[in-house]
Amino acid sequence: QQQVKQSPQSLIVQKGGISIINCAYENTAFDYFPWYQQFPGKGPALLIAIRPDVSEKKEGRFTISFNKSAKQFSLHIMDSQPGDSATYFCAALKGGSYIPTFGRGTSLIVHP
Amino acid sequence: DAGITQSPRHKVTETGTPVTLRCHQTENHRYMYWYRQDPGHGLRLIHYSYGVKDTDKGEVSDGYSVSRSKTEDFLLTLESATSSQTSVYFCAITGGGQDTQYFGPGTRLTVL
Repeated sequence: QQQVKQSPQSLIVQKGGISIINCAYENTAFDYFPWYQQFPGKGPALLIAIRPDVSEKKEGRFTISFNKSAKQFSLHIMDSQPGDSATYFCAALKGGSYIPTFGRGTSLIVHP
Repeated sequence: DAGITQSPRHKVTETGTPVTLRCHQTENHRYMYWYRQDPGHGLRLIHYSYGVKDTDKGEVSDGYSVSRSKTEDFLLTLESATSSQTSVYFCAITGGGQDTQYFGPGTRLTVL
């Protein structure tokens, strides 16, 4: 049973465009939602994270939008750059848990 | 970067041979994890540890065992490697609170 569903599996965007990756979850006990970025040949690294008490969090060109009622959250990359080309994973954790549930990842390619 | 190293970084082995992967951290963090990453499956948890000699199974633990005799080292053993265990293996640690996982650089394992 996939508890965090991520879409799309792959995404191609032109430089300067907006990249949008969506995740949906089922377990209402989740209360922490991080996004990880992984470059080829490297391990994933935390990009940005949000808790359900806010609907949006922005860090530079990266924004998480959170819809608690719909049990969905999304990553928006504004002014996408070729250097953003990577695999992105969403994740969710329950309060007090140290075991994240990961989405299956989205491969983003930004064409120059 | 969090102080996490994995060894070896690459390994080719034959079906039926035992294989041990090592994860070493210098952060003195309590939680350590082993994941495997395969195309289309994202990151799947194999085993994790919540302290010295305290380990538990993840979602894909069959065929794998782990040991943690010191805070800084977490070993993953494939007792008898199979071709289905060809994958990229990542070690991770959780620092401080539950918030962030830090990943190692990965080990690419090929079982012929």
